Amino acid sequence: GAVVSQHPSWVICKSGTSVKIECRSLDFQATTMFWYRQFPKQSLMLMATSNEGSKATYEQGVEKDKFLINHASLTLSTLTVTSAHPEDSSFYICSARIHLTGELFFGEGSRLTVL
Amino acid sequence: SQQGEEDPQALSIQEGENATMNCSYKTSINNLQWYRQNSGRGLVHLILIRSNEREKHSGRLRVTLDTSKKSSSLLITASRAADTASYFCAPAQGGSEKLVFGKGTKLTVNP
Repeated sequence: GAVVSQHPSWVICKSGTSVKIECRSLDFQATTMFWYRQFPKQSLMLMATSNEGSKATYEQGVEKDKFLINHASLTLSTLTVTSAHPEDSSFYICSARIHLTGELFFGEGSRLTVL
Repeated sequence: SQQGEEDPQALSIQEGENATMNCSYKTSINNLQWYRQNSGRGLVHLILIRSNEREKHSGRLRVTLDTSKKSSSLLITASRAADTASYFCAPAQGGSEKLVFGKGTKLTVNP
């Protein structure tokens, strides 16, 4: 299957700092990527749809100024958690869609811990 | 977009046995995808079945789709301890639709 790389796989930061997570499609171009958040023992919650060259579409209840998404190229989307707080600690997972087939491939996830 | 509902929520079997999990959805779809998630990891794409397909195989995996009943099943044959994971289905009405996920089926395969 297609490969989606997510970096970093884990990060620990102090409260108030910003953290950037990268999501790359390694062997295909992705006009659309998605960002999910997962709390322990819960399912994935869709945060936003990242569209190459345009603004991201956020799900209801997700603060766009808090979670900045940039999809500057067909292979890279970034999620920046701004002014992180302990409640932002979570597992963040990105995915990228293969346009022709509709298949969605996921990164390995990034575990964020805010102290 | 719609969320699939997996059943059962938890399944525990012995190595070598078959595991069957089901997915139900509410409105018509274009395709349905199954994913596996090991604890603390990302989702792994297992298989995509289209609305005009009734059955699809991939190694030890067999997926069926019954559009009249709005349901799909994932069968894992000759299960292994390494199959222990959560399994999710994701129905989609179109190729460009966002996917949302339910609670999944947590499969435990005991050695």
